[in-house]
Amino acid sequence: GAVVSQHPSWVICKSGTSVKIECRSLDFQATTMFWYRQFPKQSLMLMATSNEGSKATYEQGVEKDKFLINHASLTLSTLTVTSAHPEDSSFYICSAFQTGIYGYTFGSGTRLTVV
Amino acid sequence: KQEVTQIPAALSVPEGENLVLNCSFTDSAIYNLQWFRQDPGKGLTSLLLIQSSQREQTSGRLNASLDKSSGRSTLYIAASQPGDSATYLCAVSFNTDKLIFGTGTRLQVFP
Repeated sequence: GAVVSQHPSWVICKSGTSVKIECRSLDFQATTMFWYRQFPKQSLMLMATSNEGSKATYEQGVEKDKFLINHASLTLSTLTVTSAHPEDSSFYICSAFQTGIYGYTFGSGTRLTVV
Repeated sequence: KQEVTQIPAALSVPEGENLVLNCSFTDSAIYNLQWFRQDPGKGLTSLLLIQSSQREQTSGRLNASLDKSSGRSTLYIAASQPGDSATYLCAVSFNTDKLIFGTGTRLQVFP
């Protein structure tokens, strides 16, 4: 199988605080995971590629100091939104790629609301 | 620039109709193409994966085709049902590292 678990599913935080989102591959190892952001009624925009044991690769325009990514094991990647502001409110989704029939598998997403 | 486009942006049909959703991409050198379904406020559910060496994939009432030379893929939904209502996303990986998403097609099937 190919299951990706993402937690929490939703979180509300105060402006200025940090929030950590976890993404786990449950039944396979993922050397690479991906973090996406989705605004209402829009498609997914790739934020960064998370590489196990090395630094993440960020897409143009994504602040790496604001969106900290850690991929310390083959089954876990975390995204930390630091010093969150209301404009960071969005839907964040992670995914992992598995060669073969599964392709990319996505987590269930995290709805972040910064108040 | 590698881009993925989907048409139509929205579609509303009565139950029972056969549907075709279109996806086009700008670079024929793709690794694979994947169709997803997204329900409101939810994550993505993979529907069909077509690898670059394949021309189509089928799962139940769904059939997806791939024509690399013309940069197009279609998702065919047979005998649509209200439960098919969702946003359908086409995504292309031009290499093994990145998945580029289309703009999506919002489908509503009414009884």
